[in-house]
Amino acid sequence: KQEVTQIPAALSVPEGENLVLNCSFTDSAIYNLQWFRQDPGKGLTSLLLIQSSQREQTSGRLNASLDKSSGRSTLYIAASQPGDSATYLCAVYDGGGGNKLTFGTGTQLKVEL
Amino acid sequence: DGGITQSPKYLFRKEGQNVTLSCEQNLNHDAMYWYRQDPGQGLRLIYYSQIVNDFQKGDIAEGYSVSREKKESFPLTVTSAQKNPTAFYLCASSAERYQPQHFGDGTRLSIL
Repeated sequence: KQEVTQIPAALSVPEGENLVLNCSFTDSAIYNLQWFRQDPGKGLTSLLLIQSSQREQTSGRLNASLDKSSGRSTLYIAASQPGDSATYLCAVYDGGGGNKLTFGTGTQLKVEL
Repeated sequence: DGGITQSPKYLFRKEGQNVTLSCEQNLNHDAMYWYRQDPGQGLRLIYYSQIVNDFQKGDIAEGYSVSREKKESFPLTVTSAQKNPTAFYLCASSAERYQPQHFGDGTRLSIL
């Protein structure tokens, strides 16, 4: 059974700092991996999706990498801003033929002025 | 604007009562999903549907039921058999299998 872990569970950084969020998964037979952002009391906003054949994806100040063989992904946020404060979730699509996303429990990020 | 609309935003259930959560999408997506989110836990899949008139159980389907009579709509009924229904419920859709999932703003269900 696929398990997804995100470390740390919470992170507080000063504005302007570059930071890395970590995601690990137990079964490397994934189809792709998706990073989401969730604001309090809201739904999820998709940030980046990395196909299993890709190593990284970039969108603005965000860069996500994928190392399937080691079961790891990182989300790099450059020059963090208070508006980046949210919970960040990673999720993997299993390659077993279903259409199931398995989610991590998230990293709660606070960017302070 | 295209998107997913969930209603109501807040819902209260009495003991022994069934309640239905609405999810509508105008993205012309084939696949739709229902997730449950509890504090400190990741999202867990309740049911999903890849096409009209077809749906499959997810990891925690017991006490829930769904229908998919129209492409745009995927309502979730929380039955009285679900003994711990208090949670945040999220609906999502995707164009097809393995494509990015887009989420609604959720419904928070509580017990009276």
